[in-house]
Amino acid sequence: GAGVSQSPRYKVAKRGQDVALRCDPISGHVSLFWYQQALGQGPEFLTYFQNEAQLDKSGLPSDRFFAERPEGSVSTLKIQRTQQEDSAVYLCASSPPFGYEQYFGPGTRLTVT
Amino acid sequence: QQQVKQSPQSLIVQKGGIPIINCAYENTAFDYFPWYQQFPGKGPALLIAIRPDVSEKKEGRFTISFNKSAKQFSLHIMDSQPGDSATYFCAASIGSGGSNYKLTFGKGTLLTVNP
Repeated sequence: GAGVSQSPRYKVAKRGQDVALRCDPISGHVSLFWYQQALGQGPEFLTYFQNEAQLDKSGLPSDRFFAERPEGSVSTLKIQRTQQEDSAVYLCASSPPFGYEQYFGPGTRLTVT
Repeated sequence: QQQVKQSPQSLIVQKGGIPIINCAYENTAFDYFPWYQQFPGKGPALLIAIRPDVSEKKEGRFTISFNKSAKQFSLHIMDSQPGDSATYFCAASIGSGGSNYKLTFGKGTLLTVNP
């Protein structure tokens, strides 16, 4: 079946612009995670949804970052007033009910100029 | 505070060799330990994972060894091939009610397998 998909794959934003990154999880997966991966580093947790409920947003680096999953499937990560330090790959992962495995999408590479 | 420490940072082996990547963790509440493989421009792909109730798990050419008392686990790749050249990440998480929870990753190991 189809894996996790993310769009766009690449995004270039001027500093100060708002961006929206989309994640389509694997069908039937109730858990959805966003991670940020800086160049040459491991992914770092941003936020977690179970269905439409955002249960943990402790990893969001500032109040410029906002995530939603209104119908419990597709999720959007929004970054307002982008800064250069926001440049990274943003990864989405989903997990099946009562499953430990997390399956990652290809990521969105965000470059802020 | 880095909760999962991974070593080495990079590793070069010859084809057929057995690269070993090590990870150490601090949080004794972690109860799920996966390894991911990542190729350039791709997302991490789950390779193999272990729970702390076993000391070893094998899947194909990949083996995890787990030492609960030492809070360490390692990945062994048997008969390594040039196609195994990638970055490998260990990770750990705390399960909650049987469901996975956020992963804490190591910094990664860049493996190169020479032909």
